[in-house]
This record gives sequence, structure tokens and C-alpha cells, in this order.
Amino acid sequence: KAGVTQTPRYLIKTRGQQVTLSCSPISGHRSVSWYQQTPGQGLQFLFEYFSETQRNKGNFPGRFSGRQFSNSRSEMNVSTLELGDSALYLCASSLVQPSTDTQYFGPGTRLTVL
Amino acid sequence: AQTVTQSQPEMSVQEAETVTLSCTYDTSESDYYLFWYKQPPSRQMILVIRQEAYKQQNATENRFSVNFQKAAKSFSLKISDSQLGDAAMYFCAYRGYGNKLVFGTGTILRVKS
Repeated sequence: KAGVTQTPRYLIKTRGQQVTLSCSPISGHRSVSWYQQTPGQGLQFLFEYFSETQRNKGNFPGRFSGRQFSNSRSEMNVSTLELGDSALYLCASSLVQPSTDTQYFGPGTRLTVL
Repeated sequence: AQTVTQSQPEMSVQEAETVTLSCTYDTSESDYYLFWYKQPPSRQMILVIRQEAYKQQNATENRFSVNFQKAAKSFSLKISDSQLGDAAMYFCAYRGYGNKLVFGTGTILRVKS
């Protein structure tokens, strides 16, 4: 069974631009969570989607948004990029819901903001 | 809010020997899960082991085992017969009612041949 896939793997943007990252969960998994990883702040939870609904949200500004499609694929969007948004963005999927099922991570998208 | 603390930024172990990575957490919740994830230089986060708080028995996965002390809120990872492929950043993580993973700051494990 294929693992979690994320596209693109690497991205370079300039300040003020917006970006969309994509995540395809493991087949059959319906929950998708997003995390931001930076050297300074470590791993921080962004949000979680289940059945096309956002169920949980971390402490990030409204510039960070996401959505989930009927096939469970998820996208996250960051608008008006800032230098501090440079990070590795990780997506994780779980079978039904993260509360009982293990989350499996994708390889991440490395975003660099210049 | 829940917090996870990994007090060892870096650890080294000789190949074939045993090493223990420490993790403590703080929570007022009674039902939760604890995890150890491994992140090699390739960056793919891999689940190492999982522990349900309601289970008293410590989880074991081949060479990896945990020492879960619920009252002390401690969750250490023991790696036996260390191999070069074990070299990675190890993250301790907590998941409670909020359904989100709360991570520690990580421990870099170096394996010497």
C-alpha cells in the first residue's frame, strides 16, 4: 500500500506570494493532519481534517488555511508569505481519526520564502 | 496545555550497545497515547512505537521498548543492539483528547561504528 505522498517536495517563493501544498493520504485513511517543522519552533500542529471538515486547528494566523476533498486528499494554503513561513510542512494521515489511530507521515514539503 | 520535554538534545551510542532516550510530559488528561517517532536525515517521519496510557504493560517492537511510568509522567525509549540505521532525530509525542500530536524538541541519536 502506498504511503502518504506530498507535492511538491520543494518550493521556493518570495514574500507576499501565496502557496498551495498537497497531501494524498494512505488509501482508506480519512483523517489528514498538517504540521509545521522549523528549527526554532520545532513541530507544531496546524490543523486536522476529517470527512472534508476541519476538526481541529492550531495556533496559526488566518493566512494558513486548508481543505479536504471527498477523496480525502488535502491541501493547505498559505497566503501573503512571510520569511518566517520557511519550514518543512508535514502531512499525516490516519485511518478514521487521530484519537485512536496512529498517524503516518509523508516526506514533507520544504518551503523556502525569500 | 500539554507539554512534552526531551532533555537530551543529543546522544551517542556504540554499535550493538543499548541506549535510552528520555521523555517526560505534562497533562491533566487521564486517557492519552504516547509515541516515539524517528526522523532520519531523509526527513520521512517514521513511527517507532506507540503506548496507550490505559495499558500498564510497556510496549515493545523488536529492538525498541519503552519504560512507561504513568504516575511520574515519564516515557523513555530503549534501543537495544543499536545499528547504524538507528541514527536519526527521535521525537517523543503526546496525543490526548485534542486529537493533535504534541511533540518534544527531539533527541539526535548518533551511532558509532
